[in-house]
Amino acid sequence: QQQVKQSPQSLIVQKGGISIINCAYENTAFDYFPWYQQFPGKGPALLIAIRPDVSEKKEGRFTISFNKSAKQFSLHIMDSQPGDSATYFCAASRNNFNKFYFGSGTKLNVKP
Amino acid sequence: DTEVTQTPKHLVMGMTNKKSLKCEQHMGHRAMYWYKQKAKKPPELMFVYSYEKLSINESVPSRFSPECPNSSLLNLHLHALQPEDSALYLCASSQDLRGNTIYFGEGSWLTVV
Repeated sequence: QQQVKQSPQSLIVQKGGISIINCAYENTAFDYFPWYQQFPGKGPALLIAIRPDVSEKKEGRFTISFNKSAKQFSLHIMDSQPGDSATYFCAASRNNFNKFYFGSGTKLNVKP
Repeated sequence: DTEVTQTPKHLVMGMTNKKSLKCEQHMGHRAMYWYKQKAKKPPELMFVYSYEKLSINESVPSRFSPECPNSSLLNLHLHALQPEDSALYLCASSQDLRGNTIYFGEGSWLTVV
């Protein structure tokens, strides 16, 4: 059973546009929600993360929106750039323990 | 650049071979992880070490054998693998197991022929 569901599977955005990737979870015990960015041939790298006590977190062009009641969280990439083209994974963990449940991934292609 | 170093970057091995993947970190982290990632899939947790002791084994077949010689090193010994074991093997580390950022290495690409 997939603990974290991610959509869309792939996304094409024009340069300067907004990229939005969505994730949903069922387990209310999850208390940490990171997003990882992975370029081809590289390992995943932490992009931004949020805990359920806040509804939004922004770091530069990247924003996480968190809806606790709906059990959903999303990544927004403002002013998307070709260099943002990568695969993005959402994840969740619980009880302050580093066992992560990953979403299935979204391949983002930002066209120049 | 990642501070988790994995060697080799690429490995081709036969099904009867014995080989090892190596991982090193110098961030003073006390938790280290092995993940397996197939193409277009998310990473799957295999093993977790905490303070050099095996903390989690996600029911991984015994043909994969982890070893943590010290707090900076993590090995994955491979023996009698199957072609379906071909994947990207990622090492990661974190300060400890308690809700910290985990840092991934660039991975070792394994092909079993």
